[in-house]
Amino acid sequence: SQTIHQWPATLVQPVGSPLSLECTVEGTSNPNLYWYRQAAGRGLQLLFYSVGIGQISSEVPQNLSASRPQDRQFILSSKKLLLSDSGFYLCAWTRPSGREFYDEQFFGPGTRLTVL
Amino acid sequence: GENVEQHPSTLSVQEGDSAVIKCTYSDSASNYFPWYKQELGKRPQLIIDIRSNVGEKKDQRIAVTLNKTAKHFSLHITETQPEDSAVYFCAASRASYDKVIFGPGTSLSVIP
Repeated sequence: SQTIHQWPATLVQPVGSPLSLECTVEGTSNPNLYWYRQAAGRGLQLLFYSVGIGQISSEVPQNLSASRPQDRQFILSSKKLLLSDSGFYLCAWTRPSGREFYDEQFFGPGTRLTVL
Repeated sequence: GENVEQHPSTLSVQEGDSAVIKCTYSDSASNYFPWYKQELGKRPQLIIDIRSNVGEKKDQRIAVTLNKTAKHFSLHITETQPEDSAVYFCAASRASYDKVIFGPGTSLSVIP
């Protein structure tokens, strides 16, 4: 069966510090991968999505970046965190393109980031 | 850009009553409309979805309706129970390999 992992689970960082959040998927190949941010009491904001290694689509211009160095690994990064970067970061995956035209998104457990 | 609106933002109902959440979308090419439920402190999970070639879909106490002409879709929960209390998100997508745009969410409280 497929599983999705995210770490760390919680993180407290000072303003201006770098960030690296990692997401990995097991049990599938060539998944579509997504990063979302959920601010307190708010909805799910799509940040990045990837349909393959090295292929990243950015939805929101900001100080965050994403990379996909391996098929089942998705990394969210920042060189300098802002207070507004605080939130709940969720990674999600869907089955590979072409196998199912419409498919469920499976979410990871999330990382709660607090920027002070 | 693409946008999904959702109403109401909060909803409180008595146990046993029905709850209705409504969404509208802007991208006329959207073909897939999932609904996710997020319980407090947990990850969102799919509860039901509908595709553009279907006007209505039902799964036990949950039903979704879609009006592609008007670009709106709704979630109906009948005979609500306390465990239905959660945040519900609607979403729209052209396809699973395309980006999924979520609505801002509806916080549903079912009062025993």
